[in-house]
Amino acid sequence: NAGVTQTPKFQVLKTGQSMTLQCAQDMNHNSMYWYRQDPGMGLRLIYYSASEGTTDKGEVPNGYNVSRLNKREFSLRLESAAPSQTSVYFCASIRTGGNTGELFFGEGSRLTVL
Amino acid sequence: GDSVTQMEGPVTLSEEAFLTINCTYTATGYPSLFWYVQYPGEGLQLLLKATKADDKGSNKGFEATYRKETTSFHLEKGSVQVSDSAVYFCALSFNTDKLIFGTGTRLQVFP
Repeated sequence: NAGVTQTPKFQVLKTGQSMTLQCAQDMNHNSMYWYRQDPGMGLRLIYYSASEGTTDKGEVPNGYNVSRLNKREFSLRLESAAPSQTSVYFCASIRTGGNTGELFFGEGSRLTVL
Repeated sequence: GDSVTQMEGPVTLSEEAFLTINCTYTATGYPSLFWYVQYPGEGLQLLLKATKADDKGSNKGFEATYRKETTSFHLEKGSVQVSDSAVYFCALSFNTDKLIFGTGTRLQVFP
């Protein structure tokens, strides 16, 4: 079982460059999420998608865009990277219905912006 | 707003010691409560949960009891192992698909 797959695992950018983080899940989950993890801040929600074709802002959306391409894929784009976006990014998904609260996470993408 | 507060880490223990990681929450209602664990180099995974007051969640020797009167959900384990070294996150949810996470507590267990 692949679960949630994120690419790339590591990336170094210069200020002002753009890039897209890719995420795919093979569990037929409806909802997908992008979080960032920073020391002392825990996990903060950037964007989420409750279903294919819908996206909503989370706690820290500024500087990011997302695209829910289909039920499996949810990408996160940095149009003009800034050093403040240096972080570890996690994609996650959840089975809707049943209120299990069980998010399934990818292994993370470590981004450094110089 | 709703929030989760965890004790600062790192928590450093010897193998077979007793573990407590404190978690309290602030919420306008009665959320479901969760503990997630993040092993080095991995994403988070659900450790245990409780959905109503006085429920006890348990898994892999870890336990936590939902205490409405103290708005707490402290994580405990009677005898930790080196393999338990990880970051532990407390979280809450109100019957939605969005979780609110605490800042995480790093546990280091030495042989």
